[in-house]
Amino acid sequence: GEDVEQSLFLSVREGDSSVINCTYTDSSSTYLYWYKQEPGAGLQLLTYIFSNMDMKQDQRLTVLLNKKDKHLSLRIADTQTGDSAIYFCAEVGPSGTYKYIFGTGTRLKVLA
Amino acid sequence: EAQVTQNPRYLITVTGKKLTVTCSQNMNHEYMSWYRQDPGLGLRQIYYSMNVEVTDKGDVPEGYKVSRKEKRNFPLILESPSPNQTSLYFCASSSSAGNEQFFGPGTRLTVL
Repeated sequence: GEDVEQSLFLSVREGDSSVINCTYTDSSSTYLYWYKQEPGAGLQLLTYIFSNMDMKQDQRLTVLLNKKDKHLSLRIADTQTGDSAIYFCAEVGPSGTYKYIFGTGTRLKVLA
Repeated sequence: EAQVTQNPRYLITVTGKKLTVTCSQNMNHEYMSWYRQDPGLGLRQIYYSMNVEVTDKGDVPEGYKVSRKEKRNFPLILESPSPNQTSLYFCASSSSAGNEQFFGPGTRLTVL
């Protein structure tokens, strides 16, 4: 079955880089996403990558996709206190469906 | 303002008392979805809808019903709520499956 896994917590110092990792099980998914959830709010899309890409950069964000290992990562450069949030990876389209499968979320804490 | 609205935002109810959580979007989106968020489990998709009168089960549909009679509305119905349905619920919409999802503010449901 489909499964998306993330580590639950990450703590970094302000100004350092953060790397949040995600593993997924269904290689047929066409899109992979990173969403951010701030306290008390819904989720907001941060960035996404198509399954035929290896890397995508968007300002401070870099997404790396290793299809062979089914591994997705999100790197945040120069992490700021405002980046403290829960980050979810997600895939859509496993097994030819239009279902979304979200990971468990990684809580990022940025220390000043 | 483009948005997804949910009502109510908070609800405390008792076991077995039917309830409906409404969801509405004003972006003319085709794809709508319901999720529940539980600690340590991330977001899990309950049901989704590709368009009017087209609904499909997500990963955790048991105990829930949905309907999509109009494009803008996608209510979530709990015919006989049970305590294990205590959770934070999010509605989301996107122009089509695979595109950015826009999330509502969430509905915190407690079933006693």
